[in-house]
Amino acid sequence: GAGVSQTPSNKVTEKGKYVELRCDPISGHTALYWYRQSLGQGPEFLIYFQGTGAADDSGLPNDRFFAVRPEGSVSTLKIQRTERGDSAVYLCASSRGGAGDTQYFGPGTRLTVL
Amino acid sequence: AQRVTQPEKLLSVFKGAPVELKCNYSYSGSPELFWYVQYSRQRLQLLLRHISRESIKGFTADLNKGETSFHLKKPFAQEEDSAMYYCALSGGNSGNTPLVFGKGTRLSVIA
Repeated sequence: GAGVSQTPSNKVTEKGKYVELRCDPISGHTALYWYRQSLGQGPEFLIYFQGTGAADDSGLPNDRFFAVRPEGSVSTLKIQRTERGDSAVYLCASSRGGAGDTQYFGPGTRLTVL
Repeated sequence: AQRVTQPEKLLSVFKGAPVELKCNYSYSGSPELFWYVQYSRQRLQLLLRHISRESIKGFTADLNKGETSFHLKKPFAQEEDSAMYYCALSGGNSGNTPLVFGKGTRLSVIA
């Protein structure tokens, strides 16, 4: 079946603008994760959803970052007042939701803040 | 604090030579350890996890709790093994927990 998809694949914006990044998980996967990968680093956790609720948002760097998953499927990561330091690849992953289930990653969205 | 350390940014080996990608971790508890791989222009994908005790594409990894290591090994490297490799841990039996990744090691297999 189809894997995790993310749109857009690339996003270029100006400092101070608002952006939304979308993630479509694998159908039936109840758990959804957002990670951020900066150049030369491994992915770093941002937020995790189980169903519609954010089960763990401890990785969000500050209150400019927010994510939603209103119907328990598609999720949107929202970044307000973007800064140049927000430039990174934003990865989404989903899993079936059971303990220790494999996380399947999307291709990522490359965000560039000028 | 949870941490994963991959000491090598780049590892170059000749085709047919043995490969060992190092991974050390710190975690207060019983973590679950993973190796993820990212081939050129492809997405991050799971290579293997310690609880499965499998050999995938000829790679194996043994969890050494005494040394807190989970090194990835392959006896004979192939050109198609060239990729970025990430070691990661999660909280094991604590339900769904986010992955903590190392910085990755780029493996280059030279023909």
